[in-house]
Amino acid sequence: DIQMTQSPSSLSASVGDGVTITCRASQGIRIDLGWYQHKPGQAPKRLIYAASNLQSGVPSRFSGSGSGTEFTLTISSLQPEDFATYFCLQHNSYPLTFGGGTKVEIK
Amino acid sequence: QVQLQESGPGLVKPSQTLSLTCTVSGGSISSDTYYWSWVRQPAGKGLEWIGRINASGSTRYNPSLESRVTMSADASKNQFYLKLRSVTAADTAVYYCAREHSTDWDLDYWGQGTLVTVSS
Repeated sequence: DIQMTQSPSSLSASVGDGVTITCRASQGIRIDLGWYQHKPGQAPKRLIYAASNLQSGVPSRFSGSGSGTEFTLTISSLQPEDFATYFCLQHNSYPLTFGGGTKVEIK
Repeated sequence: QVQLQESGPGLVKPSQTLSLTCTVSGGSISSDTYYWSWVRQPAGKGLEWIGRINASGSTRYNPSLESRVTMSADASKNQFYLKLRSVTAADTAVYYCAREHSTDWDLDYWGQGTLVTVSS
């Protein structure tokens, strides 16, 4: 199985701050990676697909980059509605595997 | 926009079978473009992909659960199903259903999840 190592597991930030979350794959996965936002009691929402493509309707303050084994999700200026858990998903090979998640909390 | 909704018992006894239904609206599960997946997350732990099915019944399971999992689908109801046999407390989790692209296996839409507790 491909292991996805996500960091940090949590972070505290203020509205307006920029934040970066990283996922590292245990082997190359090309650009077969998505980023999701998850709020309690809600369906996870895909933000980024194919590593760097913004899902329709998602604000442009979200961006993704990377290929191969290292990927980043950047939120350029945190808004109140962005406080949530974020996780990555590799879909290069079965079984699909996920990063451990990053909880973004209000400082 | 497609929507997915999980349903099923919230409490299952140890050694019994967990059974869940995912109802899809806003799109047909018969489409060749998609598979239909199950994912779970135990409290305080990471997400685990359980497996997927298409409307014609083709399945692929996570080897970690393959011996206990069966998925099925009913296109006439636009539903797909999960059965997990011989459950233990370790199977206590929030279970999600999701839509998976058949070409690149990406998950785009998810349900909000349903908590299943295994306890006597």
